[in-house]
Amino acid sequence: LAKTTQPISMDSYEGQEVNITCSHNNIATNDYITWYQQFPSQGPRFIIQGYKTKVTNEVASLFIPADRKSSTLSLPRVSLSDTAVYYCLVGDNLKAAGNKLTFGGGTRVLVKP
Amino acid sequence: NAGVTQTPKFQVLKTGQSMTLQCAQDMNHEYMSWYRQDPGMGLRLIHYSVGAGITDQGEVPNGYNVSRSTTEDFPLRLLSAAPSQTSVYFCASSRGLGDTEAFFGQGTRLTVV
Repeated sequence: LAKTTQPISMDSYEGQEVNITCSHNNIATNDYITWYQQFPSQGPRFIIQGYKTKVTNEVASLFIPADRKSSTLSLPRVSLSDTAVYYCLVGDNLKAAGNKLTFGGGTRVLVKP
Repeated sequence: NAGVTQTPKFQVLKTGQSMTLQCAQDMNHEYMSWYRQDPGMGLRLIHYSVGAGITDQGEVPNGYNVSRSTTEDFPLRLLSAAPSQTSVYFCASSRGLGDTEAFFGQGTRLTVV
């Protein structure tokens, strides 16, 4: 599985856009990029997944450059409730499925008033 | 729709005791898995199952046992609790092959003294 590197923590303010970049230099051809969010005392929650270019849903956007060696999760206009740990995962959907996820340390995002 | 339900939410054990952490899902998911999360760390896979009657080891299986007699339930047994097993345990389920969107339970916080 491709190793991922992401910042340990980030601070932001309400209403700002938060961008978290994840490096995955040895990503394989079949690998997808998936982001999870974890609030304190809760299990992780799936946010978004992509393979290339840009993916957007009601929660976030995921930007993946052509070389796929990094990806950026973008959270628009954050609120205090977006304070959480965000995990970047890279893996082959067909092999890993949803039950063999490899989590790194994640990025702790603190949104301030 | 309850999703993934874990019981108990909190448990204190003495060293050497055994216990079973319960996990049930009502989404008819094929895949289920158990993770542990130590303070400030990401989740690590303990055991997983790709269907009733089929289980396999994850990254940190020692000291734990699982079985999958039904699609809905996936209990995790601690055979002889040790202080190193103090952690938060999460159960997750997903639809199946090719799907990396996992649904997590609320977790069980276990302390072994």
